[in-house]
Amino acid sequence: AQSVAQPEDQVNVAEGNPLTVKCTYSVSGNPYLFWYVQYPNRGLQFLLKYITGDNLVKGSYGFEAEFNKSQTSFHLKKPSALVSDSALYFCAVRVSIDYKLSFGAGTTVTVRA
Amino acid sequence: NAGVTQTPKFRILKIGQSMTLQCTQDMNHNYMYWYRQDPGMGLKLIYYSVGAGITDKGEVPNGYNVSRSTTEDFPLRLELAAPSQTSVYFCASSRNRGDYGYTFGSGTRLTVV
Repeated sequence: AQSVAQPEDQVNVAEGNPLTVKCTYSVSGNPYLFWYVQYPNRGLQFLLKYITGDNLVKGSYGFEAEFNKSQTSFHLKKPSALVSDSALYFCAVRVSIDYKLSFGAGTTVTVRA
Repeated sequence: NAGVTQTPKFRILKIGQSMTLQCTQDMNHNYMYWYRQDPGMGLKLIYYSVGAGITDKGEVPNGYNVSRSTTEDFPLRLELAAPSQTSVYFCASSRNRGDYGYTFGSGTRLTVV
């Protein structure tokens, strides 16, 4: 079985401050990890992924995420948040030999001007 | 680039009615998926397909059916609608196992009254 936990329902930051959205996972096997963003009344958009290689991966819109195998975490980060980053963020996981993604419950990010 | 197109965007059904949610993609992706999104619950996989003529159940298939007669289309059928099926439904597609992420449609908001 595979699962994802996003421990924070909401994250609030001021514009220009660093943004971190937390994600921990549980899988039997090598994890493939993903972050998606959902803007109001829209479908999910792919942000970035970790499959193998460097633990720090960079994605769209200045976001990056760090894979930590020992802590089974894949936190999403942005050095300087923008008001336009306000959205719902989902972490997702699958094992390398599978293709079905399991999603976390989502974290609502609000960036105030 | 149309990507993944879902119709309708909104629908209100009465208990016991049936309907089909349409999903079509123009990227020649072989894998397609149906998810439902409920507040605070993330996305749950309903059905998926790895190619034309092949479908399989996900986490929450009860009350739904699918077919995949072509690569492009993956309709989701709701039989005897129930209030528990009130949700936002997303169709997604991927090239092979989705190592480069899924492409999502914009969703169908369904209310059963």
